[in-house]
Amino acid sequence: QKEVEQDPGPLSVPEGAIVSLNCTYSNSAFQYFMWYRQYSRKGPELLMYTYSSGNKEDGRFTAQVDKSSKYISLFIRDSQPSDSATYLCAMRDTGNTPLVFGKGTRLSVIA
Amino acid sequence: DVKVTQSSRYLVKRTGEKVFLECVQDMDHENMFWYRQDPGLGLRLIYFSYDVKMKEKGDIPEGYSVSREKKERFSLILESASTNQTSMYLCASRTSGSIPDTQYFGPGTRLTVL
Repeated sequence: QKEVEQDPGPLSVPEGAIVSLNCTYSNSAFQYFMWYRQYSRKGPELLMYTYSSGNKEDGRFTAQVDKSSKYISLFIRDSQPSDSATYLCAMRDTGNTPLVFGKGTRLSVIA
Repeated sequence: DVKVTQSSRYLVKRTGEKVFLECVQDMDHENMFWYRQDPGLGLRLIYFSYDVKMKEKGDIPEGYSVSREKKERFSLILESASTNQTSMYLCASRTSGSIPDTQYFGPGTRLTVL
């Protein structure tokens, strides 16, 4: 079993839809959870950063962490064509250790 | 504006050539990382470094080596390039000791080995 599982998609939604992206993980030591967004032919950039369980909201984006289920989610409200990208979840434990990434979900928002 | 730069966006090399990929960050970060990204396989960690002259193997170090002589520069070396090393290579840097410790990526180098 891989440490982090993420459905690769692709996921195609109409403009204005609510998008839900998810990752599951197996390592209970993970404490820091991130979502990165990667546009085509670019490097990933940090979108959301969450420590431990709970929700975090930033504009149209909400990140949720459920440590009891080992499950994290990213919600995008009122999705826009500019949200079309690959979204990667990433996580790590409390040490200065490398991030463990999901494989990424490719999202297309159709106008 | 924070920045991670990579020496080339596109590179074409022949099988057996020695290839150098350079990465420079201007944020005084301690940690630096090299990944490769392939369709269906996601980001895979090749090597990382926590400090100058330090290096640690990642998940797929075979066929690669690294050098970190200065804090801002982390080089990936393909000793003898092979066609299965055709990939997108991404460098990243990250500070340590502060939260959030955002990891910043460079734009990537698309390497083709013929």
